[in-house]
Amino acid sequence: AQSVTQLDSQVPVFEEAPVELRCNYSSSVSVYLFWYVQYPNQGLQLLLKYLSGSTLVKGINGFEAEFNKSQTSFHLRKPSVHISDTAEYFCAVSEPGGSEKLVFGKGTKLTVNP
Amino acid sequence: DSGVTQTPKHLITATGQRVTLRCSPRSGDLSVYWYQQSLDQGLQFLIQYYNGEERAKGNILERFSAQQFPDLHSELNLSSLELGDSALYFCASSVARGTEAFFGQGTRLTVV
Repeated sequence: AQSVTQLDSQVPVFEEAPVELRCNYSSSVSVYLFWYVQYPNQGLQLLLKYLSGSTLVKGINGFEAEFNKSQTSFHLRKPSVHISDTAEYFCAVSEPGGSEKLVFGKGTKLTVNP
Repeated sequence: DSGVTQTPKHLITATGQRVTLRCSPRSGDLSVYWYQQSLDQGLQFLIQYYNGEERAKGNILERFSAQQFPDLHSELNLSSLELGDSALYFCASSVARGTEAFFGQGTRLTVV
């Protein structure tokens, strides 16, 4: 069975600082990996995805993530955050070729302070 | 706007009652997924339909059921509601395997 661990439940940072949100997954098969963002009282919006190919994936709003198969990680990074990046971030994994249902981590609450 | 529409946005109902949540997927998307988001369980997959047929089942209670209609919209039926069923219920859709899922805004269910 697949599982996702988001190592930090809360990450406070100052505006314009860099940030890394950590995600590790467990799976016995190949995977698709995703990062979603949820703003307060909103649905989930896809930030970026890894399906195959280049292990460095660029997404919206200046975010990027790197797939590391040997460390089973998919950490999310942004070099300089804004107040508007304050939100909850979810890492998710799915199994190619199956139902492709998403298995989510518990989420990381990113708070950007002025 | 993801193109996935969920109604209603909010629902308050009493224990023991039955409710129906509705989802219209993005135009052309054949797959519909239902997820439950609660404080204690996080985001959990409930069930998936593909072109009218059930494809996968997750941790969905027997009191819950779903279906996908010929026009591809889907409904999630929750019956004999309990306080613990209070949660945000999301619908997502995708066009095919190997593509990402787009989420609706969710239906916030409060059972009192």
